[in-house]
Formats: sequence, structure tokens, C-alpha cells
Amino acid sequence: ILNVEQSPQSLHVQEGDSTNFTCSFPSSNFYALHWYRWETAKSPEALFVMTLNGDEKKKGRISATLNTKEGYSYLYIKGSQPEDSATYLCAFNQAGTALIFGKGTTLSVSS
Amino acid sequence: DAGVIQSPRHEVTEMGQEVTLRCKPISGHNSLFWYRQTMMRGLELLIYFNNNVPIDDSGMPEDRFSAKMPNASFSTLKIQPSEPRDSAVYFCASSLVASYQETQYFGPGTRLLVL
Repeated sequence: ILNVEQSPQSLHVQEGDSTNFTCSFPSSNFYALHWYRWETAKSPEALFVMTLNGDEKKKGRISATLNTKEGYSYLYIKGSQPEDSATYLCAFNQAGTALIFGKGTTLSVSS
Repeated sequence: DAGVIQSPRHEVTEMGQEVTLRCKPISGHNSLFWYRQTMMRGLELLIYFNNNVPIDDSGMPEDRFSAKMPNASFSTLKIQPSEPRDSAVYFCASSLVASYQETQYFGPGTRLLVL
């Protein structure tokens, strides 16, 4: 059974702190890794789709890296702001399979 | 573009009743996905259409669930008869092409409560 693990489950930081969290997935037959940002009462919003080992993506203060050989991706937020408070989901698939979502890391940023 | 549109946004029904959820994908998108989100299991794929044809329905829990996509701009997910354990948030998403390397755009979801 394919499984995607995200850690930590939740995180509380102060405004201005930089933070990062991890998505772990099976390293065999890798096809794609997605990161989504999900605010309460809204729908998941796509951040990145990563497909190549060593990929690094950046959007404003948020960036992500990918290591398909060891099966992990990191999401970094630089200088966290209260509006960054959300659940960050990663989803992974192997060739020929559907996306499998992790349970997410819930980030809370205090001002 | 208005994004993915889902209706209703909230549905409360009694056990045994038929429930129909509706989705309009982003215009020009060829792939449509139905997901279910629960506290216990997180976000799970139910079914995936490409060019209106069901490609992968392995996530559909049982025969009580059915999904159709009669044209490129409309899909339904039907539960008949509904049970309390079907209570969840149901999301529809669409992507431009049929590839899991493409970004999926999610609708606002339908929150279903079966009493």
C-alpha cells in the first residue's frame, strides 16, 4: 500500500520565523509530487508540481525541494506571516497510479 | 475564469435518501476528478474522467456511488441510498490535460451530512 507521510502534523511559529516541513513517499517508480495550500473553509490551492529529482521551485517566500532517490520533499516558508496559516498538503503518485495525499502539516503563525 | 464550480455547497439529508453532487470544471480542462475528504482518511480520489470517459474508478467505495460526465462541462456524483458514513466533504477538481504531472484545480467542495 502506497503511503505519504507528512511531518510535523502541526506547527506553531511566530511572525517572521522561517520554517520547513517534510513529505516522505516511496522512492520507486516516482512520477510526480504536488504541494497544495489549504486554508480553512476554502479549497486546496496548488503551489507546486515537481517531477524531476533535484527540482527546486519557488513562489514568493515559499520554496520546495525534491529528492526522488530517497523519497522526500521539503517545503520552506521564509519569514512566516499570519496569512501563511493553513494546512500544507503534499500528494505523490507513481506512474499509472492516482495521486495519494498526505494528511497535511497545519501551520499556525502568530503575530 | 470562475474556477471549478460545485453545487450544492452544503447538503443535509436523511439516511436512505438519494444525494446528487454537481461539478462544472474549468472551461477547456479535459480531466475531472472527484475526491472525498474525511478526518480519518484525509483526501481520497473516488473517480477520474478524461475527455468525459471514466478512467479510474477504483476509489469508488461501493455500488451506492456512481458518477457521470455527460459532457465536457458537467459531472455528477450520486449516492443512492445515502448512509451516515458517507458524511464528508466532496471535492471536484479539474486539470488541463490527462496527466498527474499537471496541476489540479479544486472546487470549493460540497459538505455532506447524512443523518
